[in-house]
Amino acid sequence: EAGVAQSPRYKIIEKRQSVAFWCNPISGHATLYWYQQILGQGPKLLIQFQNNGVVDDSQLPKDRFSAERLKGVDSTLKIQPAKLEDSAVYLCASSARDSTYEQYFGPGTRLTVT
Amino acid sequence: GIQVEQSPPDLILQEGANSTLRCNFSDSVNNLQWFHQNPWGQLINLFYIPSGTKQNGRLSATTVATERYSLLYISSSQTTDSGVYFCAVELDDYKLSFGAGTTVTVRA
Repeated sequence: EAGVAQSPRYKIIEKRQSVAFWCNPISGHATLYWYQQILGQGPKLLIQFQNNGVVDDSQLPKDRFSAERLKGVDSTLKIQPAKLEDSAVYLCASSARDSTYEQYFGPGTRLTVT
Repeated sequence: GIQVEQSPPDLILQEGANSTLRCNFSDSVNNLQWFHQNPWGQLINLFYIPSGTKQNGRLSATTVATERYSLLYISSSQTTDSGVYFCAVELDDYKLSFGAGTTVTVRA
């Protein structure tokens, strides 16, 4: 079974530029999550999708961050414009609608904003 | 919100040693997961353990939900066990809240 795929793996941009990250969850997983992990901290949930609907985006800075999940499969997270404090690893995870709801994580995208 | 505290923050082990990592949480939770983040940043599920004890090879975990803590045991540690270990509690709607992690360094 293929895992969660993310791209790009690394991205360096200047502040005020835009950036987008892509995630392909495990096949059949209905729930998709985006997390932000700042160096030295645990991951923090940004947004949670159930199929193509948003379940929770309470911690998403909506003035600059946006996310979508078209057709309930792939998802894109965008930052526009980026700030220095957005430097972090952005992790995508997915889980199935079964008895355990374990979350499986992708390799992450490391973003550096200069 | 719920507080998730992990201890110790850092742990240095000699290869072959045993260790215990602890996770305390401040409120009732639906579930708890342990993860290992390897030096390349990949988060790997170790245990999904709402209560009781589970074992997987040299690793085992125990969660006592009524007392709001979980323990992760590493026995006969190897250099490949190095990395950051995270405890994450599951809140409503299957959201995870992570602790700050325990950084484990195993020396040969």
